[in-house]
Amino acid sequence: AQSVTQLDSHVSVSEGTPVLLRCNYSSSYSPSLFWYVQHPNKGLQLLLKYTSAATLVKGINGFEAEFKKSETSFHLTKPSAHMSDAAEYFCVVSDYAAGNMLTFGGGTRLMVKP
Amino acid sequence: NAGVMQNPRHLVRRRGQEARLRCSPMKGHSHVYWYRQLPEEGLKFMVYLQKENIIDESGMPKERFSAEFPKEGPSILRIQQVVRGDSAAYFCASTGGPNTEAFFGQGTRLTVV
Repeated sequence: AQSVTQLDSHVSVSEGTPVLLRCNYSSSYSPSLFWYVQHPNKGLQLLLKYTSAATLVKGINGFEAEFKKSETSFHLTKPSAHMSDAAEYFCVVSDYAAGNMLTFGGGTRLMVKP
Repeated sequence: NAGVMQNPRHLVRRRGQEARLRCSPMKGHSHVYWYRQLPEEGLKFMVYLQKENIIDESGMPKERFSAEFPKEGPSILRIQQVVRGDSAAYFCASTGGPNTEAFFGQGTRLTVV
């Protein structure tokens, strides 16, 4: 069975400092991994995705994530936080063994202080 | 190419009434997921459907909830005899196939009074 663990439910950073949102997954086969962002009272928007190509994936708004198979991790990073980055972030896994079902992590709420 | 369309965006129901939530996937997409988000919580999987088939409904309560994705028309999530605890945001997502990104609708916010 596949699963996703987002290690921090809340992360607080100062504007201009780096962002690290951690995600570990469990999957039977080679998974596809995604990060989605949800701003308050909005739907979900795809930030980036990994589907067995380059392990370092660049997404929108300056975010990137690195797929590390040995660590079963897919952490999301950004060099410099902006106030508009304050939102909820979800790590998602999908693999063939699970019938390609999308499994969400519990979410990490990112707060950005001025 | 319109995105995933959910309607209504907001729905108010009295306890005991039925709620019907609609989701039209992106053009060409045949896979639909429904998720529920309670206030201050993450998304919880409810059901995964392909055209005319329920693939996985392990996240859906056994009673009062049902979902369908007919050959023609939108996917419907139906909640019968709603209770206050059903108040939540319900999101629909569609994909074009295995391991492809999911596109989400804006959600339907159900309030049970």
